[in-house]
Formats: sequence, C-alpha cells, structure tokens
Amino acid sequence: SQQGEEDPQALSIQEGENATMNCSYKTSINNLQWYRQNSGRGLVHLILIRSNEREKHSGRLRVTLDTSKKSSSLLITASRAADTASYFCATDGSSYKLIFGSGTRLLVRP
Amino acid sequence: EPEVTQTPSHQVTQMGQEVILRCVPISNHLYFYWYRQILGQKVEFLVSFYNNEISEKSEIFDDQFSVERPDGSNFTLKIRSTKLEDSAMYFCASSGNGVHTIYFGEGSWLTVV
Repeated sequence: SQQGEEDPQALSIQEGENATMNCSYKTSINNLQWYRQNSGRGLVHLILIRSNEREKHSGRLRVTLDTSKKSSSLLITASRAADTASYFCATDGSSYKLIFGSGTRLLVRP
Repeated sequence: EPEVTQTPSHQVTQMGQEVILRCVPISNHLYFYWYRQILGQKVEFLVSFYNNEISEKSEIFDDQFSVERPDGSNFTLKIRSTKLEDSAMYFCASSGNGVHTIYFGEGSWLTVV
C-alpha cells in the first residue's frame, strides 16, 4: 500500500514555537495533501503539494516534499493554541483515492 | 466558502438495522467519496463515485454498503444491516474535475448498539 505514516505520533510545544511533522509513504504518488482534524470533527484541507513540487507555503504553513525519500514535512510557524489538533498526510496515486497516515497529535500549550 | 454538508451528525442504531447517511457535496464537484474513521484509527477509504457510478471501492465496502446519487445534489451511503464494527465516523468528500484537492464534510458519527 502507499500508506502515509506520520511522526512524531504526538507533539507538545509552547505557543509561539514552530511545529514540524513528518510523513513517509511507500509508493509513487501524484499528490500529497495535509489535513487537520480537531477532536471529533471533520477533516480540514490545509495544503496540496504535487509530486513535481518541492516546497509550498500557505500562511504559517510550509510543506516540503522529497519524492526520492518518499517523505514530506509540515511546518507550522509561530504556533497558536488554536493549532491544537491532529494532522494527517494523505497521498493519492493513480486514482483519486486518498491513503491516510496515522496522524500527529499536536498540543500547543498557551 | 462552499462546503460539504452531512446529516445526521450523530446516529445511534440497533444492530441489524438499516442506516442511510446523507451528504450534499460542493455544488460544482464531480467526484464524490465516502471514508470512515473508527475511533482512534486511521481514516479509511470506502468508495469513490463519478458519472453516476462507483469508480473504485475498498475491501471494506462489501455487499452491505451501497451509494446513490438520487438527485442532482445529494449523495447517500446506505448500510443495509449494521454490525457493531460499523460504529465509526463516516466522512463524505468531494472534488472537482481535474482538481485533486478533496474536501471533507464534518462527518456523521454512527454508533451501532
């Protein structure tokens, strides 16, 4: 399978610090997407990076993609308490089906 | 901003009963999906739907499951005879033609007792 797997599984930081989450996958992809999920809520789309892109920014988010290592990272700069959530990477290959990783639980302490 | 809406937000049903989960995808989207998330586990793909037919389904999506687009706006997931292990959050999602960004709804919590 082309599962995305995130690490760390859990991350606790102080408000204002940066948070970095990593994702690895196994097979070739077309795109990699990052989602946020607040406890018991829906999946909020954060950013999509295509396989031919290496870096993408959106506000306080920075995503990198290294297809040679089959890995991606999500950096949240200047974190806020409201960033507390689970973050998932999801990959798609030859179809539109997304394969999700296990997620990183981020806690931002005020 | 357009969004995917799902109803009900919560449903408790007895084992063996039929359940229908409803979704209104984003209006100009052409691809529709159902995913599920068992408590504490990964989000899992169930089925994708395009041009009024299933385009792909997972092993989870067995004969107990069916999807339908009964009109131009709704997309439903039916579970014919629910089992305890069907208890999960079910997410509907949609995406536009040629655009891979997939937008998810808030989910429907299904508890089978």
